[in-house]
Amino acid sequence: DGGITQSPKYLFRKEGQNVTLSCEQNLNHDAMYWYRQDPGQGLRLIYYSQIVNDFQKGDIAEGYSVSREKKESFPLTVTSAQKNPTAFYLCASSGGARNEQFFGPGTRLTVL
Amino acid sequence: AQKVTQAQTEISVVEKEDVTLDCVYETRDTTYYLFWYKQPPSGELVFLIRRNSFDEQNEISGRYSWNFQKSTSSFNFTITASQVVDSAVYFCALSEAPYIIQGAQKLVFGQGTRLTINP
Repeated sequence: DGGITQSPKYLFRKEGQNVTLSCEQNLNHDAMYWYRQDPGQGLRLIYYSQIVNDFQKGDIAEGYSVSREKKESFPLTVTSAQKNPTAFYLCASSGGARNEQFFGPGTRLTVL
Repeated sequence: AQKVTQAQTEISVVEKEDVTLDCVYETRDTTYYLFWYKQPPSGELVFLIRRNSFDEQNEISGRYSWNFQKSTSSFNFTITASQVVDSAVYFCALSEAPYIIQGAQKLVFGQGTRLTINP
């Protein structure tokens, strides 16, 4: 089945450690996105990528980094510079005739 | 700057009642798109509808209907004869900058409305 996978579903890290969240899609979409969701809030855009080897900062990019070496993959690294990293992270991709954004199941990151 | 406001933080109704979720947006663009997404307890966002700024016709899909009014900058969502399976968080979103068919979209989301349908 075509879709977006994010792993793991739950992730725990100690404060001060970098952590990388995985996002893979087999929809053949050109664009991919990372969003952060905090309790009771909407989604906020961290980074997005329109094509391979290109990515742009979203509204809250500080403390995060990404890479886009393959069309299918868009990993997000939460660095120790991110002051409040505990959140629910959602990956999305868009493309095709209607260019709608499809979302993955999300990764809940807890920094202890 | 674009902004989406969903003033209703939580709504709770009894099954079979009709319920309307409000969405008010702000944008200076003349061309924009509006969206509704559903987030069930599993966490994954599910696309429900996209509407462009030039199409003010109301849309109906089964028990779901959407009322787009540019005059009041609103894009409200109504569920008729609600069911327990409709319980979820619903997000309204706006595309930032003109929608580029083949490019990346930057969506601005509202805060979401948590809808609980009680049996």
